[in-house]
Amino acid sequence: AQSVAQPEDQVNVAEGNPLTVKCTYSVSGNPYLFWYVQYPNRGLQFLLKYITGDNLVKGSYGFEAEFNKSQTSFHLKKPSALVSDSALYFCAVRDIRDSGYALNFGKGTSLLVTP
Amino acid sequence: DGGITQSPKYLFRKEGQNVTLSCEQNLNHDAMYWYRQDPGQGLRLIYYSQIVNDFQKGDIAEGYSVSREKKESFPLTVTSAQKNPTAFYLCASCDQSYNEQFFGPGTRLTVL
Repeated sequence: AQSVAQPEDQVNVAEGNPLTVKCTYSVSGNPYLFWYVQYPNRGLQFLLKYITGDNLVKGSYGFEAEFNKSQTSFHLKKPSALVSDSALYFCAVRDIRDSGYALNFGKGTSLLVTP
Repeated sequence: DGGITQSPKYLFRKEGQNVTLSCEQNLNHDAMYWYRQDPGQGLRLIYYSQIVNDFQKGDIAEGYSVSREKKESFPLTVTSAQKNPTAFYLCASCDQSYNEQFFGPGTRLTVL
C-alpha cells in the first residue's frame, strides 16, 4: 500500500519566518501527493497536489511544496509564516483500493506560529 | 467545506445504542468516503463507495455500516459493536478523476 509519514508532531515558527512541514512517501509507481489543512473542529481544506510536472507546486494561501523523487519527500513550505497559519497539516497519498481509489493520510503535524 | 454537509455537528450516544451520521453532497461526485479521526492518528478510512448501491470496507470497518441508495447521500451507522466510537468523523467525496477529495465539516461523536 502507498503510505506517507510526517516525522514531526509539532512545528513551531515565529511569524514572518519561513516554515517547512515535512512529509516523506513510500509508493510503488508514480505518486499522487496532497496537502490538506485543518482548523479546530473543522473539516479538511485542500492546499495543493502533485500529480506530474514541475517539482515545485504552488497552492492556496501562499503555500508551496517541493516534490523530491530522490529523497522521496514532499515538504510543505511558506516563505513567511502568519499567526493564522497555525493549524493541523496533513500529507496524503492516493492509493489504489479493491474498487477505485482512496487517500492514505499521515498522522498530521501541528503548526504553531507565534507573534 | 465545499458542497458537502454533515449532520449533526455534535452527537452524544449512550453505550449500546446505534447512531447514524448524515453526509450529503451536491457536487455530483460519484465517490464518497468516511474517515475517522483520533488525536495523533491522522485519518483512517472506514468505508467508501464508488457508485450508487455499491460500497467497500476500508481499513477500520468493524462496528460500522453504510448505505448508498442515492448518489448524493452516504450515511454512516455506528453500531453498538464499535468498541470505542468516540471520535471525529469526516465525510468526503471526489469526482472520477480521483485527483482531489472534498471534505465535509465533520461530526463529533461522544459516547457517554
